[in-house]
Parts: sequence; C-alpha cells; structure tokens
Amino acid sequence: EAQVTQNPRYLITVTGKKLTVTCSQNMNHEYMSWYRQDPGLGLRQIYYSMNVEVTDKGDVPEGYKVSRKEKRNFPLILESPSPNQTSLYFCASSLGQDHSGANVLTFGAGSRLTVL
Amino acid sequence: DQQVKQNSPSLSVQEGRISILNCDYTNSMFDYFLWYKKYPAEGPTFLISISSIKDKNEDGRFTVFLNKSAKHLSLHIVPSQPGDSAVYFCAARRSNFGNEKLTFGTGTRLTIIP
Repeated sequence: EAQVTQNPRYLITVTGKKLTVTCSQNMNHEYMSWYRQDPGLGLRQIYYSMNVEVTDKGDVPEGYKVSRKEKRNFPLILESPSPNQTSLYFCASSLGQDHSGANVLTFGAGSRLTVL
Repeated sequence: DQQVKQNSPSLSVQEGRISILNCDYTNSMFDYFLWYKKYPAEGPTFLISISSIKDKNEDGRFTVFLNKSAKHLSLHIVPSQPGDSAVYFCAARRSNFGNEKLTFGTGTRLTIIP
C-alpha cells in the first residue's frame, strides 16, 4: 500500500531532550516536506526536500533540523525541544518537479508531540 | 498573515442536502487550489483540486468553484452523506520550481446530521 509512515504517533517529552520524528514513504517520491498544525493557524510548512541531500526552510523552521540521506526517509529533528513546539506534525511527499499543479501531497497520519 | 482563510470553523448539514464550504485567499499569485479532508487521528487526504485557469471542477458528488476576481473558492458536496463528516482544509499553491508548498486555511469542521 502506498503510504507515508511517521513514528512515533504520540510523544510526551521534556524541555531540552532531543528527539527525532521519523518519516518514510514507499512511493519513490522525490519531494518530501514537514508541516505542523496548530489551532487557528492551519498547517504550516517547516522544511522541505526536493531530493536526496537537498533541503530548505519552509515558513516556520526555527528549532528544527532535517536530513535527507535516502530518498525514502526524511526525519524531523528537535535538538532542544521547547513547549512552543507542542503541536501535531505531518510529513508529506509527492512526485515533485511538476509545475502544473497536478502533483498532490500525500500525508502521513501525524505525530502528536507534547513538550513539558 | 493568513493568506488562505476559511471563516466558518464549523458547519452542520442534514444528510442528503448540499454542503457548501467556503474559502478566500489574498495572494493573487496562487494558481492552484486544493481541498483536503481530514478525519480524527489521520492525515489530510486529497479530495479535489482546480487550476486557476478554470472556474469549475467536478468529481462525483464533489464540485469546486473558483471565482478569481473575488479570490474565492467553494466546495459543494451533494448529496451530503454521514461519511462526509470531517474537517475540510482549503489549500493554495503558487507554481514555483522545487517547493511544492501548500498554504492552508484553518479548516472547517463539517458535521452531517443523519
């Protein structure tokens, strides 16, 4: 089944304790991205990657890091989490390199993170 | 600055009737618009899209209308079914080499009353 898989789905942690949210897709997609969803703000892009070893900042990158060493994986790293990073996180992927707009982002099921 | 706005946080509609969800945008550079549907504990799933060169796109019970001059789009669901109860996100994209970023609205929770 074509899908984007995120882990963990739920996590409660404390301020300053490094954590990684993994994301993996099995569709051979070139493009991957991370979003966070907060009440009253919709989904906002954190980082994106056009291909292996190519990453760039989205709208809200502060406090996050990413890496894209393999095509299928795009982990989100919080080096020193803070309470304002409590949110619902979504990883997404698409074929990429299509300027017609026909490419559709496929989202993972989400990871709910609470930072105390 | 919210470039994509969904001003109705919630909407209740009787089963079998028409559901109309609205979305406004401010950035005239957006050239592609999408609707996503989200159930609890799941990620958003693509529903329907429309290019800015069109004013209507249909897919079964779902129709999206785009009014570029008003910077407004709407999603019509007819007839509405209980399984349509979900949060609906309007999203917009500006064609740009590389970043497939979608700018999302805040969502409208649709409840279909049996």
